[in-house]
Amino acid sequence: EDQVTQSPEALRLQEGESSSLNCSYTVSGLRGLFWYRQDPGKGPEFLFTLYSAGEEKEKERLKATLTKKESFLHITAPKPEDSATYLCAVQAQGAQKLVFGQGTRLTINP
Amino acid sequence: DAGVIQSPRHEVTEMGQEVTLRCKPISGHDYLFWYRQTMMRGLELLIYFNNNVPIDDSGMPEDRFSAKMPNASFSTLKIQPSEPRDSAVYFCASRSTGQGAGNEQFFGPGTRLTVL
Repeated sequence: EDQVTQSPEALRLQEGESSSLNCSYTVSGLRGLFWYRQDPGKGPEFLFTLYSAGEEKEKERLKATLTKKESFLHITAPKPEDSATYLCAVQAQGAQKLVFGQGTRLTINP
Repeated sequence: DAGVIQSPRHEVTEMGQEVTLRCKPISGHDYLFWYRQTMMRGLELLIYFNNNVPIDDSGMPEDRFSAKMPNASFSTLKIQPSEPRDSAVYFCASRSTGQGAGNEQFFGPGTRLTVL
């Protein structure tokens, strides 16, 4: 069964304090790994798709990386507006469904 | 460009009542997904459609849940009768398999359902 585990569950940082969120996964052949951002009361907002080990994608202060067992979402010099829950999901080869982790709730204090 | 549209945004109902949630996917998208999000279980896929045809409903929790997609621009998720444990946020998402499209799904704002 495909599984996604995210850590930590919650992370509180000071503005400008860089850190990383972890997403460990087991999947029967990876088709894609996805990162989403979810703000309170809103739907998940797509950030990145990673397809193969070694791939990296960047967007503003965020950088996502992928290995054969896990993905990291690196946040560099975060700002309070980066506060949100970050969700990781995997899609198996031949499948359409996404299997989501429980998310990491990130809070950036000014 | 309008995103996925869901209605209502909030629904409060009493146990035993019928509830209908509505979704309009992004124009041109050929896949539509219904998810449920709770604190305990996170985001779970309930059912998905391809070109208006239900493909996998293995995530539908019980026969009380049903979903339809009568055309490419409209889908409904119905719960009859509703129970307090159905209280959750229900999301609709869509994706395209057209040329140049990635595998990402685009989510609507959700419907927060409370069953008293």
